[in-house]
Amino acid sequence: DAGVTQSPTHLIKTRGQHVTLRCSPISGHKSVSWYQQVLGQGPQFIFQYYEKEERGRGNFPDRFSARQFPNYSSELNVNALLLGDSALYLCASSLPGAAGANVLTFGAGSRLTVL
Amino acid sequence: QKEVEQNSGPLSVPEGAIASLNCTYSDRGSQSFFWYRQYSGKSPELIMFIYSNGDKEDGRFTAQLNKASQYVSLLIRDSQPSDSATYLCAVNPQSSASKIIFGSGTRLSIRP
Repeated sequence: DAGVTQSPTHLIKTRGQHVTLRCSPISGHKSVSWYQQVLGQGPQFIFQYYEKEERGRGNFPDRFSARQFPNYSSELNVNALLLGDSALYLCASSLPGAAGANVLTFGAGSRLTVL
Repeated sequence: QKEVEQNSGPLSVPEGAIASLNCTYSDRGSQSFFWYRQYSGKSPELIMFIYSNGDKEDGRFTAQLNKASQYVSLLIRDSQPSDSATYLCAVNPQSSASKIIFGSGTRLSIRP
């Protein structure tokens, strides 16, 4: 079975541009979460989506947005890119239900560099 | 106070010894606790999770949880060079069921 897949794996953008990152969860996982990880830090929570609805939002500006599609895949959009947005963006999927709801399986990540 | 605190390390342990990684958290109502391993340039992978006070063992790994002290630890027995990585402690706070909060990680180095 395929794990969590993310695309693109690497990308370079300039300040002010926007970016769209994509994620496909593990088959059967209905929840997708997005995290930002800057070098030397742990992942920081951005969003969680479950059944196409936003279930949680971290402390990120409105330039960050996301959505989940009927097939449970997800997109993360970042507008008006800043140098500080350079990071590894991680998508994680998880099972529904209390026992596995927060056991996250991460994709390989999308490494964004903003110049 | 950080929500999840870890010693950044590096923690150096000889091969075959026990590595002990520690983590404290601030939300007393937190219910779920996780340990992830992250190799350089890779994404985090789950080692184990624990919900109840006490110890939980999985192979060479033991997670220990003490909710009264707001403390969770990970023991790695018979440490191997392949265990060299950054270990991330993560907590699901009571305040938000959807959010997992990660510590900054502890770098572990196993020396042959």
